[in-house]
Amino acid sequence: NAGVMQNPRHLVRRRGQEARLRCSPVKGHSHVYWYRQLPEEGLKFMVYLQKENIIDESGMPKERFSAEFPKEGPSILRIQQVVRGDSAAYFCASSTGLTSGGHNEQFFGPGTRLTVL
Amino acid sequence: AQSVTQLDSQVPVFEEAPVELRCNYSSSVSVYLFWYVQYPNQGLQLLLKYLSGSTLVKGINGFEAEFNKSQTSFHLRKPSVHISDTAEYFCAVSPYNTDKLIFGTGTRLQVFP
Repeated sequence: NAGVMQNPRHLVRRRGQEARLRCSPVKGHSHVYWYRQLPEEGLKFMVYLQKENIIDESGMPKERFSAEFPKEGPSILRIQQVVRGDSAAYFCASSTGLTSGGHNEQFFGPGTRLTVL
Repeated sequence: AQSVTQLDSQVPVFEEAPVELRCNYSSSVSVYLFWYVQYPNQGLQLLLKYLSGSTLVKGINGFEAEFNKSQTSFHLRKPSVHISDTAEYFCAVSPYNTDKLIFGTGTRLQVFP
């Protein structure tokens, strides 16, 4: 059973370039979540998506960041015109969307570590 | 709004000693509570969760945690740690009726031989 897959695991970009981070959820999971972990900090929620729908994007920066989860293929987190402050680990999690005891358990991927030069 | 405080950024301990990692939270609504472990260069793995019922929750790898509503705490304990428990531990809460996880800043547990 494959867990959540993220690629690339490490990504280096120069300021002003675009970064595309991919997340393939656990097979059968239709819900995806993105979190960002800045150095020496905990994970911060960014966005929650279902297939072809954004459910909650309250943690997304207003500019340069976007996310999608198409009907086919992985979820993509896109960062345009990256700046040094975007350097962080970006984690994806997935769930079935089926509530057990009131909560959908999230399974996390290994993360993509983005370095902006 | 919710927040999670992990008071200890690092906890050094010798092998086979007991350990407690502290977690306090603040929330105006009811929340579920979680502990995750992160090994180097890996994603987060769920250790245990409190959704309802008994306030003492047992998880994987011999860990347990106790939910104390009056003190808004959810401290993680293990009676005897192993070298392999060396990792980063994150406490998190999730408000009822949402799937959003709010994490603390983490506690690095370092187990020495």
